[in-house]
Parts: sequence; C-alpha cells; structure tokens
Amino acid sequence: GAVVSQHPSWVICKSGTSVKIECRSLDFQATTMFWYRQFPKQSLMLMATSNEGSKATYEQGVEKDKFLINHASLTLSTLTVTSAHPEDSSFYICSAGEASGRGEQYFGPGTRLTVT
Amino acid sequence: GNSVTQMEGPVTLSEEAFLTINCTYTATGYPSLFWYVQYPGEGLQLLLKATKADDKGSNKGFEATYRKETTSFHLEKGSVQVSDSAVYFCALGSGGSYIPTFGRGTSLIVHP
Repeated sequence: GAVVSQHPSWVICKSGTSVKIECRSLDFQATTMFWYRQFPKQSLMLMATSNEGSKATYEQGVEKDKFLINHASLTLSTLTVTSAHPEDSSFYICSAGEASGRGEQYFGPGTRLTVT
Repeated sequence: GNSVTQMEGPVTLSEEAFLTINCTYTATGYPSLFWYVQYPGEGLQLLLKATKADDKGSNKGFEATYRKETTSFHLEKGSVQVSDSAVYFCALGSGGSYIPTFGRGTSLIVHP
C-alpha cells in the first residue's frame, strides 16, 4: 500500500526559531499533499493544500507567512513553522492522495512539535 | 456543504463487548465513505471504506455499511480487544475532490 513518511517524528524548539517538517510519499507520486494540525483530543484541522510546482492553498485563518509550505517534487512537501511560539505546539500530520483516490488519503505518522 | 457527524466519546467497553460507533453524513452527489483509526501518538490509518450505496467495508473484524437511505456509515465490531483502543474518524470524500471531510473523532477505550 501507499506509504507516507514524516520527519522528524517529534521536535522541541525554542520560541522564535523556525522548524521544518518533511512529508514524503515513498512509493507513489503525489501531486497534492495536505497539511493538518491536530490539537489534543480533537479532530484534524486542514491547514493547507500543497500542490507540486505551485503555491499552496491555505485554509481561512491559517497564516501563510507563518506556515510556509513548499512542494518541490512529486514526492516531497515541507512545512516550515517560522518564528515558532508556544501556541504553535501541536501535532502536525501530512497526507497525500492518489489521482484516483476520490478522497482517500494516506497519512504520515505525524510530527509532535513542542515550542518552549 | 459536506459534513460528518459522529457520536461523542469516549466509548468505554470491556474486552469482547460489541462495538457500534455511529456516523451520519450530509453530502451532495455520491460520496465515498471512510473510517480512519488513530492509535495513540500516531497518524491516521485507513481502516475501511465504501464507495457506493449498500457497499460494506470490512477490515480487522470491523465493518461498516454505506446506507444512502439513512445517510449513515456506522462502524461495528462484534468483539473488541484492548488493542482496539484508539480514536476513530468517520470521513467522506466527494467525487472530484481530494479533500475528505472528517468527523470529530470518537475515542474508544477497551478495558481488559
């Protein structure tokens, strides 16, 4: 089956620094990847849709200058949290869908970000 | 627009009990329906899916039937195990859209 990996699985950083999270589709090409944020005991909140070779589409209320998304190849999308603050601490999950998926998503294992 | 409503949790059961997690949806057209499972500290995994009315998705002893007349996709398992403890998300995907709509998730806790 389709596999999506994320790196790192967890990261602790100091307030004001930037953190990059990688999302890779290992055995298929993903023209579109998605970035979600999940707060404890809550559902997934879609942050943005990442399209290979073009600018990401951000959901309403998500700061595009704070959450930089780059989709440089068909197998890699990155999310950079710039000037991180404690309120950015969360579980970040990426997913990718194959062209014929009709909404089926393959999820990465998630990245736990803690900003101190 | 599309929406998914799940029963609120947590659902707490003893091992070998019968499980039902209710899920109803609102959508235009003919969506695909999914159940995802999230184990503690992990991302989501597709548990099962159904792409048209009356289809039954099944996996690992879990089942769900796509009921168009009641717009439901309830998740069932005849005998739960401690290892089934996780959060379960119902989701739908509309034709032509990659973006699924998720329910809020239902936490399942199974005691030995």
